[in-house]
Amino acid sequence: AQSVAQPEDQVNVAEGNPLTVKCTYSVSGNPYLFWYVQYPNRGLQFLLKYITGDNLVKGSYGFEAEFNKSQTSFHLKKPSALVSDSALYFCAVRARGDMRFGAGTRLTVKP
Amino acid sequence: NAGVTQTPKFQVLKTGQSMTLQCAQDMNHEYMSWYRQDPGMGLRLIHYSVGAGITDQGEVPNGYNVSRSTTEDFPLRLLSAAPSQTSVYFCASSYSDSPGYGYTFGSGTRLTVV
Repeated sequence: AQSVAQPEDQVNVAEGNPLTVKCTYSVSGNPYLFWYVQYPNRGLQFLLKYITGDNLVKGSYGFEAEFNKSQTSFHLKKPSALVSDSALYFCAVRARGDMRFGAGTRLTVKP
Repeated sequence: NAGVTQTPKFQVLKTGQSMTLQCAQDMNHEYMSWYRQDPGMGLRLIHYSVGAGITDQGEVPNGYNVSRSTTEDFPLRLLSAAPSQTSVYFCASSYSDSPGYGYTFGSGTRLTVV
Protein backbone atom coordinates (compact mmCIF):
# COMPACT_ATOMS: atom_id res chain seq x y z
CA ALA A 1 0.00 0.00 0.00
CA GLN A 2 1.14 3.53 -0.67
CA SER A 3 1.78 6.10 2.04
CA VAL A 4 3.42 9.46 2.66
CA ALA A 5 4.98 10.95 5.76
CA GLN A 6 5.41 14.58 6.68
CA PRO A 7 8.00 14.64 9.45
CA GLU A 8 7.32 18.21 10.61
CA ASP A 9 4.07 19.29 12.22
CA GLN A 10 5.07 22.93 12.03
CA VAL A 11 7.46 25.00 9.93
CA ASN A 12 8.21 28.63 10.74
CA VAL A 13 10.01 30.95 8.34
CA ALA A 14 10.50 34.67 8.02
CA GLU A 15 8.98 36.51 5.10
CA GLY A 16 11.39 36.68 2.18
CA ASN A 17 13.33 33.59 3.25
CA PRO A 18 13.20 30.31 1.34
CA LEU A 19 10.89 27.64 2.66
CA THR A 20 10.88 23.86 2.51
CA VAL A 21 8.11 21.52 3.59
CA LYS A 22 9.27 17.91 3.71
CA CYS A 23 7.56 14.77 2.45
CA THR A 24 8.72 11.19 2.03
CA TYR A 25 6.79 8.46 0.29
CA SER A 26 6.44 4.72 0.16
CA VAL A 27 4.88 3.10 -2.88
CA SER A 28 5.22 -0.02 -4.96
CA GLY A 29 5.57 0.89 -8.58
CA ASN A 30 5.71 4.37 -10.04
CA PRO A 31 4.94 7.19 -7.61
CA TYR A 32 2.25 9.74 -8.42
CA LEU A 33 2.77 12.53 -5.92
CA PHE A 34 0.78 15.65 -5.11
CA TRP A 35 0.89 18.72 -2.91
CA TYR A 36 -2.25 20.46 -1.65
CA VAL A 37 -2.74 23.58 0.44
CA GLN A 38 -5.58 24.28 2.88
CA TYR A 39 -6.43 27.77 4.08
CA PRO A 40 -8.57 28.18 7.23
CA ASN A 41 -12.13 26.90 6.86
CA ARG A 42 -11.56 25.96 3.24
CA GLY A 43 -11.19 22.79 1.21
CA LEU A 44 -7.87 21.58 -0.14
CA GLN A 45 -6.47 23.28 -3.22
CA PHE A 46 -4.15 21.62 -5.71
CA LEU A 47 -0.60 23.04 -5.91
CA LEU A 48 1.37 20.66 -8.10
CA LYS A 49 1.97 17.05 -9.00
CA TYR A 50 4.73 14.71 -10.13
CA ILE A 51 3.93 11.95 -12.58
CA THR A 52 7.10 11.41 -14.54
CA GLY A 53 9.88 13.38 -16.20
CA ASP A 54 11.70 16.36 -14.78
CA ASN A 55 12.50 15.99 -11.07
CA LEU A 56 11.72 19.67 -10.42
CA VAL A 57 8.03 20.34 -10.72
CA LYS A 58 6.64 23.88 -10.81
CA GLY A 59 3.19 24.67 -9.50
CA SER A 60 0.82 27.40 -8.42
CA TYR A 61 1.70 30.54 -6.40
CA GLY A 62 5.44 30.19 -7.07
CA PHE A 63 5.77 26.82 -5.37
CA GLU A 64 7.90 24.00 -6.72
CA ALA A 65 8.73 20.50 -5.55
CA GLU A 66 11.79 18.34 -5.98
CA PHE A 67 11.33 14.63 -6.60
CA ASN A 68 14.21 12.48 -5.37
CA LYS A 69 13.83 8.80 -6.16
CA SER A 70 16.88 7.61 -4.20
CA GLN A 71 15.70 9.36 -1.04
CA THR A 72 12.00 8.68 -1.75
CA SER A 73 11.27 12.33 -1.07
CA PHE A 74 9.08 15.01 -2.62
CA HIS A 75 9.83 18.24 -0.76
CA LEU A 76 7.85 21.40 -1.41
CA LYS A 77 9.87 24.59 -1.84
CA LYS A 78 9.53 28.27 -2.49
CA PRO A 79 12.45 30.67 -2.98
CA SER A 80 10.90 33.59 -1.09
CA ALA A 81 8.06 33.08 1.40
CA LEU A 82 5.09 35.40 1.76
CA VAL A 83 2.94 35.95 4.84
CA SER A 84 -0.01 34.85 2.69
CA ASP A 85 1.65 31.42 2.25
CA SER A 86 0.75 30.62 5.87
CA ALA A 87 -1.53 27.59 5.67
CA LEU A 88 -1.71 23.83 6.15
CA TYR A 89 0.11 21.81 3.50
CA PHE A 90 -0.56 18.20 2.60
CA CYS A 91 1.55 15.79 0.64
CA ALA A 92 -0.30 12.92 -1.05
CA VAL A 93 0.34 9.82 -3.12
CA ARG A 94 -2.04 8.12 -5.47
CA ALA A 95 -1.99 4.58 -6.81
CA ARG A 96 -4.86 3.18 -8.85
CA GLY A 97 -7.91 4.49 -7.08
CA ASP A 98 -7.64 6.41 -3.88
CA MET A 99 -5.24 9.09 -2.72
CA ARG A 100 -3.45 8.84 0.62
CA PHE A 101 -2.47 11.95 2.51
CA GLY A 102 0.16 12.84 5.06
CA ALA A 103 -0.80 14.33 8.41
CA GLY A 104 -0.11 17.83 7.19
CA THR A 105 2.46 20.54 7.98
CA ARG A 106 1.40 23.92 9.26
CA LEU A 107 3.48 26.64 7.66
CA THR A 108 3.70 29.99 9.41
CA VAL A 109 5.43 32.86 7.66
CA LYS A 110 6.23 35.77 9.97
CA PRO A 111 6.64 39.36 8.76
CA ASN B 1 -18.01 26.80 -12.39
CA ALA B 2 -19.42 25.18 -9.24
CA GLY B 3 -16.93 22.28 -9.02
CA VAL B 4 -17.72 20.16 -5.94
CA THR B 5 -20.57 21.38 -3.75
CA GLN B 6 -21.09 20.12 -0.21
CA THR B 7 -24.07 20.79 2.02
CA PRO B 8 -24.54 21.63 4.80
CA LYS B 9 -21.44 23.57 5.83
CA PHE B 10 -22.10 23.08 9.54
CA GLN B 11 -24.19 20.58 11.46
CA VAL B 12 -24.73 19.66 15.10
CA LEU B 13 -26.24 16.25 15.84
CA LYS B 14 -27.24 14.46 18.98
CA THR B 15 -25.83 11.02 19.63
CA GLY B 16 -27.92 8.42 17.84
CA GLN B 17 -29.35 10.74 15.22
CA SER B 18 -28.88 10.04 11.54
CA MET B 19 -28.17 12.45 8.72
CA THR B 20 -26.95 12.67 5.15
CA LEU B 21 -24.10 14.84 3.95
CA GLN B 22 -24.65 15.88 0.38
CA CYS B 23 -21.99 16.08 -2.33
CA ALA B 24 -22.51 17.04 -5.96
CA GLN B 25 -20.05 17.73 -8.77
CA ASP B 26 -20.68 19.21 -12.19
CA MET B 27 -17.43 18.20 -13.92
CA ASN B 28 -18.60 14.78 -15.14
CA HIS B 29 -15.98 13.13 -12.95
CA GLU B 30 -16.22 9.38 -12.64
CA TYR B 31 -14.34 9.03 -9.35
CA MET B 32 -15.68 10.45 -6.08
CA SER B 33 -14.64 9.94 -2.50
CA TRP B 34 -15.31 11.00 1.08
CA TYR B 35 -12.62 11.87 3.61
CA ARG B 36 -12.69 12.94 7.21
CA GLN B 37 -10.11 15.34 8.59
CA ASP B 38 -9.06 15.17 12.21
CA PRO B 39 -6.24 17.18 13.86
CA GLY B 40 -2.85 15.54 13.45
CA MET B 41 -4.25 12.70 11.36
CA GLY B 42 -4.52 14.24 7.94
CA LEU B 43 -7.33 13.02 5.74
CA ARG B 44 -8.63 9.49 6.05
CA LEU B 45 -10.66 7.83 3.33
CA ILE B 46 -14.16 6.73 4.30
CA HIS B 47 -15.72 5.49 1.05
CA TYR B 48 -15.13 5.95 -2.63
CA SER B 49 -16.84 5.32 -5.96
CA VAL B 50 -15.34 4.68 -9.39
CA GLY B 51 -18.62 5.33 -11.17
CA ALA B 52 -22.38 5.30 -10.89
CA GLY B 53 -23.59 2.17 -9.11
CA ILE B 54 -20.13 1.24 -7.81
CA THR B 55 -18.89 2.01 -4.30
CA ASP B 56 -16.26 0.59 -1.99
CA GLN B 57 -14.87 1.05 1.50
CA GLY B 58 -11.83 3.06 2.45
CA GLU B 59 -9.78 3.12 5.65
CA VAL B 60 -12.50 4.12 8.11
CA PRO B 61 -15.92 3.03 6.77
CA ASN B 62 -17.61 1.95 9.99
CA GLY B 63 -20.72 3.96 10.81
CA TYR B 64 -21.07 5.39 7.31
CA ASN B 65 -22.97 4.37 4.18
CA VAL B 66 -22.78 5.69 0.64
CA SER B 67 -24.56 5.22 -2.66
CA ARG B 68 -23.91 6.49 -6.18
CA SER B 69 -27.08 6.49 -8.23
CA THR B 70 -25.87 9.21 -10.61
CA THR B 71 -22.47 10.42 -11.80
CA GLU B 72 -23.06 13.81 -10.17
CA ASP B 73 -24.09 12.88 -6.62
CA PHE B 74 -22.35 10.96 -3.85
CA PRO B 75 -24.15 11.35 -0.49
CA LEU B 76 -22.64 10.14 2.78
CA ARG B 77 -25.03 8.80 5.41
CA LEU B 78 -24.34 8.61 9.12
CA LEU B 79 -26.55 5.84 10.43
CA SER B 80 -26.40 6.54 14.17
CA ALA B 81 -24.13 9.45 15.03
CA ALA B 82 -21.47 9.03 17.71
CA PRO B 83 -19.18 11.65 19.29
CA SER B 84 -16.22 9.93 17.57
CA GLN B 85 -17.70 11.08 14.27
CA THR B 86 -17.16 14.71 15.18
CA SER B 87 -14.91 15.84 12.35
CA VAL B 88 -14.64 17.86 9.17
CA TYR B 89 -15.82 15.91 6.14
CA PHE B 90 -14.58 16.52 2.63
CA CYS B 91 -15.94 15.22 -0.62
CA ALA B 92 -13.55 15.02 -3.57
CA SER B 93 -13.84 14.09 -7.21
CA SER B 94 -11.43 13.11 -9.96
CA TYR B 95 -11.73 12.58 -13.68
CA SER B 96 -10.92 8.91 -13.23
CA ASP B 97 -9.24 6.47 -10.86
CA SER B 98 -6.06 6.72 -12.91
CA PRO B 99 -3.30 7.83 -10.52
CA GLY B 100 -2.14 10.76 -12.65
CA TYR B 101 -5.31 12.73 -12.01
CA GLY B 102 -5.62 14.91 -8.94
CA TYR B 103 -8.67 15.64 -6.85
CA THR B 104 -11.04 18.60 -6.71
CA PHE B 105 -12.30 19.12 -3.17
CA GLY B 106 -15.48 20.57 -1.78
CA SER B 107 -15.35 23.20 0.95
CA GLY B 108 -16.20 20.72 3.69
CA THR B 109 -18.88 20.00 6.28
CA ARG B 110 -18.03 20.59 9.92
CA LEU B 111 -19.98 18.06 11.99
CA THR B 112 -20.28 18.07 15.76
CA VAL B 113 -21.94 15.16 17.57
CA VAL B 114 -22.96 15.89 21.15
